Parts: sequence; structure tokens; C-alpha cells
Amino acid sequence: NAGVTQTPKFQVLKTGQSMTLQCAQDMNHEYMSWYRQDPGMGLRLIHYSVGAGITDQGEVPNGYNVSRSTTEDFPLRLLSAAPSQTSVYFCASSRQGAQPQHFGDGTRLSIL
Amino acid sequence: GQQLNQSPQSMFIQEGEDVSMNCTSSSIFNTWLWYKQDPGEGPVLLIALYKAGELTSNGRLTAQFGITRKDSFLNISASIPSDVGIYFCAGSAQAGSNYKLTFGKGTLLTVNP
Repeated sequence: NAGVTQTPKFQVLKTGQSMTLQCAQDMNHEYMSWYRQDPGMGLRLIHYSVGAGITDQGEVPNGYNVSRSTTEDFPLRLLSAAPSQTSVYFCASSRQGAQPQHFGDGTRLSIL
Repeated sequence: GQQLNQSPQSMFIQEGEDVSMNCTSSSIFNTWLWYKQDPGEGPVLLIALYKAGELTSNGRLTAQFGITRKDSFLNISASIPSDVGIYFCAGSAQAGSNYKLTFGKGTLLTVNP
């Protein structure tokens, strides 16, 4: 049981490049979310999904796309990377209902 | 949007001391969660609170859901070096679900052996 798995762990991109951050969970959780963590800012919600085929925007969605074709996977896409997207990205999942979210170990992304 | 004010921003204490930190919100939350984050890792859940006034313990950690539903407190008793890390409060304003969390900015705890 791996929990929430994020890949890659580290990535460096050039401005304008595209990239997909992968997130997979093996707990059959309905809910999945993406957060970014910046120094002094805490974690901020980017996008979330309440089930396969359903996604919605969080607090800071601009510049990011998501899709949820399966229960297990919730990839985050940067279509044209910008330096302002340099951050640590966390994926989280939880069961339906008022259950706490469980986080992956993060992807550290630098955009030059 | 909703905001959580977490304080203090940082604490430097001696091993064996007790620690208190808190979060306040401008709006009502239905769930309060406390996470700990170690360097290079994701946040790990410490305590979840679901009812106003609820007091829950997890070993040396105790957290409370404020009566007004706009605040929460975390206490750590008899701190040890492995308590070092960043502690985050998080809240959910939705009834019956926690997929949209608002986080505080964290409290950095340093424990001097």
C-alpha cells in the first residue's frame, strides 16, 4: 500500500515549457486535490476532484489544468511554465465525507 | 476567500517544555485539522476535529475545536527533539467533506536538546 505517490520528486523547466505532474493513490479515495506550497504562504488549493470525471477550481487555478479519468490518478498539467509557478506541489486524497486528506511527499518544481 | 491566521510563526523552546499554538479564522469552519511537516516531506495528519468544543488527544498532542467554530488550538506537552518541524492548521468550511482545505501559514517549531 503506497498511499499517495507523486512523480517526479524534482524537476527544472525553462519558461514556456509544458509538463505534467503525476499523482496516484491506491486507497480507492474519491477525493483528490492539488496544492502548492510557497515560503511564508502555507498550502494553497489549485484544483480538486470529487470523483472520476469531475474536477473544479480551487484558490489559485490559473496556469494549471487537471483531469480525472480514473479514480486512482489525478495529473496536474502546466501548459506554459512561468517562473511564478516555481513551488513545491502536493497532491492529497481522502475518502468521501468528512475524512482528512492524506498527502504525498511533493514535487519540487523550479522554472528558470 | 477564507483566511486562517496561525500563531506564533515560529517557536524556539527547550526540550521538556510545553508548546501552544493556535489558528483563528474570519469565518466558521466545520472541520479543523492539524498537520506536521518534516523537511522534504508532505504534511502528516496529527489530529482531526469535527465538533465545536471537541477536545482530542494523540499521545502528547492535544487539540481543541473552538466553541465559536472560528478557532482551534494545538498543545504539545513535554517536547522532545523529534517534535521539530512545521505545524499547520487547516480548516474546511464545507459540511460533510474536506476536499477543499484552507491552510494556515504554519508554525516552525525548534526544540533545543
